[in-house]
Amino acid sequence: DQQVKQNSPSLSVQEGRISILNCDYTNSMFDYFLWYKKYPAEGPTFLISISSIKDKNEDGRFTVFLNKSAKHLSLHIVPSQPGDSAVYFCAASEHNAGNMLTFGGGTRLMVKP
Amino acid sequence: DTGVSQNPRHKITKRGQNVTFRCDPISEHNRLYWYRQTLGQGPEFLTYFQNEAQLEKSRLLSDRFSAERPKGSFSTLEIQRTEQGDSAMYLCASSLGSRQQFFGPGTRLTVL
Repeated sequence: DQQVKQNSPSLSVQEGRISILNCDYTNSMFDYFLWYKKYPAEGPTFLISISSIKDKNEDGRFTVFLNKSAKHLSLHIVPSQPGDSAVYFCAASEHNAGNMLTFGGGTRLMVKP
Repeated sequence: DTGVSQNPRHKITKRGQNVTFRCDPISEHNRLYWYRQTLGQGPEFLTYFQNEAQLEKSRLLSDRFSAERPKGSFSTLEIQRTEQGDSAMYLCASSLGSRQQFFGPGTRLTVL
């Protein structure tokens, strides 16, 4: 069973517009959520995170929203830039499970100039 | 802070051979994690260490897999009697007790 799901395998947006990447989870014990960006032939790079005690966290062009009742989180990128083109992974962890990460399947974002 | 490093970056082997990968975490990071990523999927947890103690192992880690972290510094992941299904990217990550993990570039294994 997939505890973290990213239902959109790909997303294409125009440069300067907003990119919205979505993630759903099923395990109510998850209390910390992260977004990673991955370029080909590189490891995932941390972008932004959010604790379950918050519903929003912002860092520059990146904002993560958490809706605990819906078990849903989203990553907003505004404005989108061509350099943002990559695969984005949503990940979740439980405090009492060694902080190991459970990842979604990823969404490939393409930002067109 | 030179980041997490992994060696080799690529490994091609024949079915039935043993392979060993190495991960050097960020200095002083006490936690070290191994993940495996196959094409089109997100990384999947394999095992993790706190200092030199291996505290958790996924059911994905069959008895052909073994990981060590002597002296709580670098770690090795060995796969014995490799199978074609072992072909994947093996990722290492480290953290200093925080929830944020820093990943290395990975070792891509191809089993022929």
